[in-house]
Amino acid sequence: NAGVTQTPKFQVLKTGQSMTLQCAQDMNHNSMYWYRQDPGMGLRLIYYSASEGTTDKGEVPNGYNVSRLNKREFSLRLESAAPSQTSVYFCASTSLHEQYFGPGTRLTVT
Amino acid sequence: RKEVEQDPGPFNVPEGATVAFNCTYSNSASQSFFWYRQDCRKEPKLLMSVYSSGNEDGRFTAQLNRASQYISLLIRDSKLSDSATYLCVVTSGYNNNDMRFGAGTRLTVKP
Repeated sequence: NAGVTQTPKFQVLKTGQSMTLQCAQDMNHNSMYWYRQDPGMGLRLIYYSASEGTTDKGEVPNGYNVSRLNKREFSLRLESAAPSQTSVYFCASTSLHEQYFGPGTRLTVT
Repeated sequence: RKEVEQDPGPFNVPEGATVAFNCTYSNSASQSFFWYRQDCRKEPKLLMSVYSSGNEDGRFTAQLNRASQYISLLIRDSKLSDSATYLCVVTSGYNNNDMRFGAGTRLTVKP
């Protein structure tokens, strides 16, 4: 039982490049989330998916797209990366009220 | 104004000390409240839920004051291993899907 896994762990992009962050959970949870964490800002919700086939915007969705591929997987795509998207990205899934987080992806956009 | 506000600290305390953190939230419709712990460069993990009646888990006590819209965390007999950042979390919305995190309070417990 791996919990929530994320790939890659680290990534450096140039401005304008695209990439997809992958997330998977093996706990059979319905709800999954993507957050970014910046110094002094706390975690901010980008997108969430309450169940397979549905996605909704969170607090800071601009510049991102998501896909809930199936119950296990929820990916986050940056179509044209910008330096303002330099951050640590966490994926999470929820059981009742507890959120289980993945280990994070550290993304730097130069 | 941030929806969830915490004193960023750092709080530097000796082993065995008692330390308390507060957190205020602005959305009066908030439904559920939690404290998460985050170690350096790691993911957040649930420490405890916070109930109106207050709740205790070993050395940790959490309180909620809905009228004043704040929650607190008290740590007694601090251990070195308590050193971490403590995140206040408030939920609202349908099925509590809207979770708002405070920026965290950093605690360092020194020998």
